[in-house]
Amino acid sequence: NAGVTQTPKFQVLKTGQSMTLQCAQDMNHEYMSWYRQDPGMGLRLIHYSVGAGITDQGEVPNGYNVSRSTTEDFPLRLLSAAPSQTSVYFCASSSSGGSGTEAFFGQGTRLTVV
Amino acid sequence: GDSVTQMEGPVTLSEEAFLTINCTYTATGYPSLFWYVQYPGEGLQLLLKATKADDKGSNKGFEATYRKETTSFHLEKGSVQVSDSAVYFCALRRVDRGSTLGRLYFGRGTQLTVWP
Repeated sequence: NAGVTQTPKFQVLKTGQSMTLQCAQDMNHEYMSWYRQDPGMGLRLIHYSVGAGITDQGEVPNGYNVSRSTTEDFPLRLLSAAPSQTSVYFCASSSSGGSGTEAFFGQGTRLTVV
Repeated sequence: GDSVTQMEGPVTLSEEAFLTINCTYTATGYPSLFWYVQYPGEGLQLLLKATKADDKGSNKGFEATYRKETTSFHLEKGSVQVSDSAVYFCALRRVDRGSTLGRLYFGRGTQLTVWP
């Protein structure tokens, strides 16, 4: 049972480059989200989706795009990378928006923008 | 808006010491409360949760009680082990009536290091 799979695990980008962080889950979860983790800041929500074709912004959406064409996949796109986007990125999924539902996290993507 | 405030770290303890990590929250209505743990190089995983006032969540010797009167969900363990060294996150999730949205709000995390 794979759970939530993120690729790549590590990435170095030059300023201005674009890339897509991949996230896939095999649990048929409706709710998926992207967080970034920075020292002393906890996890901050970038974008989320409550189902295929439905996405919305979180706390820190600037510089990131998402789409959700299938239940399984929720890629995060950086259109023009900036050093401020150096961070660890986590994808998470859960079965519904119900308050007691557990969120399952991927292992993270460590991104460095130089 | 909703928010979580947790004790800043780092926390350093000797093996078998008692652990408390404080967590308080701000939210309207009746959120569910969680503790997640992040081991080095890994993603977050659920440690325990409580979904209503006075509930106690427990797992792996850790406990936390949902106290609505003090808006708190402090994490405790009676005797920590070296293997408990990790970052601990307090979180809440609330769902508005008529909405499917249930965002997770996280505290900033507390780094725990346990020495043998």
